Amino acid sequence: ETGVTQSPTHLIKTRGQQVTLRCSSQSGHNTVSWYQQALGQGPQFIFQYYREEENGRGNFPPRFSGLQFPNYSSELNVNALELDDSALYLCASRPGLDSLYGYTFGSGTRLTVV
Amino acid sequence: DAKTTQPTSMDCAEGRAANLPCNHSTISGNEYVYWYRQIHSQGPQYIIHGLKNNETNEMASLIITEDRKSSTLILPHATLRDTAVYYCIVRVPSGSARQLTFGSGTQLTVLP
Repeated sequence: ETGVTQSPTHLIKTRGQQVTLRCSSQSGHNTVSWYQQALGQGPQFIFQYYREEENGRGNFPPRFSGLQFPNYSSELNVNALELDDSALYLCASRPGLDSLYGYTFGSGTRLTVV
Repeated sequence: DAKTTQPTSMDCAEGRAANLPCNHSTISGNEYVYWYRQIHSQGPQYIIHGLKNNETNEMASLIITEDRKSSTLILPHATLRDTAVYYCIVRVPSGSARQLTFGSGTQLTVLP
């Protein structure tokens, strides 16, 4: 079974631009979460999607938005990029909302805003 | 989710057991203890979880004290590839708990 795959692996954008990051969840996983990890810190929760609906959100502004598709893959969109948005963006999936098992994380997308 | 406290860093000799402690004194009865690790520049990797009984899998063992206020992750024979940041997280694994709350974790360095 394949794990969580994210694309692209690295990305450089200019302040004010918009970016879309993509995630394919692990086979059979219908719940996808996104995390932001700044250098030297633990990952911070952005939001979660379950069956194409946003199911929870962390302390991030509305310019961070997302989608989940019928095949459970997901996108993270960030508008009006700021320098502080430079981080590793991680996607994680799990089999369901009430699953005891841990999340499966992708390797992330390293976003640099200049 | 309950807060956890972990040492900032630990060293371990290759081939020896690595014992990583975690305090979670405010854990509630329905919260599980989860351990993840993150090797440099990769996504976190799930290791193990438990409620109140000790657990073992192919990666590690988890020892939870009887009062559930602390736990220890044990890597029985540490290798250089186990060098990583280890996160202890307590949470209710239900739909109402949306996220994993990561603290600063413990940087484990396995020395040759």
